[in-house]
Amino acid sequence: TQLLEQSPQFLSIQEGENLTVYCNSSSVFSSLQWYRQEPGEGPVLLVTVVTGGEVKKLKRLTFQFGDARKDSSLHITAAQTGDTGLYLCAGPDSGAGSYQLTFGKGTKLSVIP
Amino acid sequence: DTGVSQNPRHKITKRGQNVTFRCDPISEHNRLYWYRQTLGQGPEFLTYFQNEAQLEKSRLLSDRFSAERPKGSFSTLEIQRTEQGDSAMYLCASSPATGIGYTFGSGTRLTVV
Repeated sequence: TQLLEQSPQFLSIQEGENLTVYCNSSSVFSSLQWYRQEPGEGPVLLVTVVTGGEVKKLKRLTFQFGDARKDSSLHITAAQTGDTGLYLCAGPDSGAGSYQLTFGKGTKLSVIP
Repeated sequence: DTGVSQNPRHKITKRGQNVTFRCDPISEHNRLYWYRQTLGQGPEFLTYFQNEAQLEKSRLLSDRFSAERPKGSFSTLEIQRTEQGDSAMYLCASSPATGIGYTFGSGTRLTVV
């Protein structure tokens, strides 16, 4: 099974600050996905990146897939309290076929007003 | 379509009892997945259905766990003789035959006392 390591594990910032969280692996992934999960709820898909070097923007969120397709980052500009949540990256497990996702442990983000 | 629906949202059971959870996927999605998430961890894959066929089971899924998807619509996950270690959030997700993004339900929080 391919592993995904996310850092930092916890992040607490003031509203209006910028932040970057990371998702790293020693394995190549055909794609990576980012999800946000709020307490007591299921994860919600934010974006899928497929091509090495790809950058996708979703309002104040910028996602990048590494050139070698082994890592990804999520940058949030001018964080808002509504950005609070657990950010998970996930990728298809090549050993089991593309339908099974391997998840990282997540970055728990708290945005303080 | 209201998305992926899971019932119940919460379940408290005594050790040794059997429990059953239900998942209603998005109607157009033929793929259905069960994941388990414990505190501080990302979701871990349990099993996968394509239509009514169960195509993959994780080694995490002991003999006490069984899942069904009769007629390729809703799915049930049953845990027999529950143990305290089964306490977790059980997440169901569905996806279409093409595309790689999941839609998760809100999960069923199981507490075994």
